[in-house]
Amino acid sequence: TQLLEQSPQFLSIQEGENLTVYCNSSSVFSSLQWYRQEPGEGPVLLVTVVTGGEVKKLKRLTFQFGDARKDSSLHITAAQPGDTGLYLCAGERYNTNAGKSTFGDGTTLTVKP
Amino acid sequence: NAGVTQTPKFQVLKTGQSMTLQCAQDMNHEYMSWYRQDPGMGLRLIHYSVGAGITDQGEVPNGYNVSRSTTEDFPLRLLSAAPSQTSVYFCATGEGTYEQYFGPGTRLTVT
Repeated sequence: TQLLEQSPQFLSIQEGENLTVYCNSSSVFSSLQWYRQEPGEGPVLLVTVVTGGEVKKLKRLTFQFGDARKDSSLHITAAQPGDTGLYLCAGERYNTNAGKSTFGDGTTLTVKP
Repeated sequence: NAGVTQTPKFQVLKTGQSMTLQCAQDMNHEYMSWYRQDPGMGLRLIHYSVGAGITDQGEVPNGYNVSRSTTEDFPLRLLSAAPSQTSVYFCATGEGTYEQYFGPGTRLTVT
């Protein structure tokens, strides 16, 4: 059983549409991170959320950490082809060994021009 | 300032061979980690280190060894390669798991 479940697994949309992807768990996390990965490259950090209920914005991307720190969402407004990639959430479970990070399986986003 | 470097970029091994994947960072981070990524999946933690001389097992440590003698280097050793270890391997570094900076990866095929 995945500790972090991401949905949807695949998402294909037209340029200009809005979308939301989700990262859910039954466990509490100290923090959650969102990364974007392009083919043949390593993941690149987009944001870290730490406080329950926290909302962070990065241009057209809005990240939210659930009040109970068990889930997070990423909302993209007016998606562009440059947003295409694999979006991964990751985190360190609360009250576990410091340094033990876990990743979800990701959402593959394709934005068509 | 190279950030995180990994060598080699590609490697083909025969079953039973051993090899070391190299990872070096110039960001002076205490935390370093190794992950593997299989097709269609996220990253799974193999081993990690919170500082020189300190290592610990991640989610999938079997078949791999690590050591951390310096802050800069964190090599990953495959003891006896198996086809199940065919994967893309990423090294990462950071102040902790809060923000990790990943290397470009090593693509390993075991035949």
